[in-house]
Amino acid sequence: GAVVSQHPSRVICKSGTSVKIECRSLDFQATTMFWYRQFPKQSLMLMATSNEGSKATYEQGVEKDKFLINHASLTLSTLTVTSAHPEDSSFYICSAFSMGEQYFGPGTRLTVT
Amino acid sequence: SQKIEQNSEALNIQEGKTATLTCNYTNYSPAYLQWYRQDPGRGPVFLLLIRENEKEKRKERLKVTFDTTLKQSLFHITASQPADSATYLCALDDTGTYKYIFGTGTRLKVLA
Repeated sequence: GAVVSQHPSRVICKSGTSVKIECRSLDFQATTMFWYRQFPKQSLMLMATSNEGSKATYEQGVEKDKFLINHASLTLSTLTVTSAHPEDSSFYICSAFSMGEQYFGPGTRLTVT
Repeated sequence: SQKIEQNSEALNIQEGKTATLTCNYTNYSPAYLQWYRQDPGRGPVFLLLIRENEKEKRKERLKVTFDTTLKQSLFHITASQPADSATYLCALDDTGTYKYIFGTGTRLKVLA
């Protein structure tokens, strides 16, 4: 099956700094990728849809100026959490569709201190 | 309001038995419903997809049913093994989009 990778797998940053998370489709091209956030013992919440070559589409309640998404190529989407705060600490997961199936990355654990 | 409900309590079963997990939804009309497995600290892994015009889908020890009248999907694991212990998520499509909405998941523990 298709493989989606994320980097880094874990990151700890200080409050007020920015963090970039990369999502790559390793063996297929993805014009659309999705970014999710998951808090402990909760489900995945869709944050935004990342579209190659155009602006991302954000879900209601997600600040687009805080969570910057760049889908610069058919295999790479990045999520930058700007001016991170402790409440942004969460598990961030990306996904992409290939042949009708949705493949998820392994996730990035962000801790803001 | 729209809801996807899975049993939030953990399900413990003995090895070899059949595990049955439930996904109920309200105020959605999905064309597709998917089931995923998620292990702690990992991203979800796709297991099965069932379409609205399909009643049942099987894959090895897994079986999914989809009742659009009851607005419910059941996920069965037969001959369960300790390695099946994980959280299982259902997800359904947001009509007319590529987006999937996830339930909160049910944690399954298979006891040896």
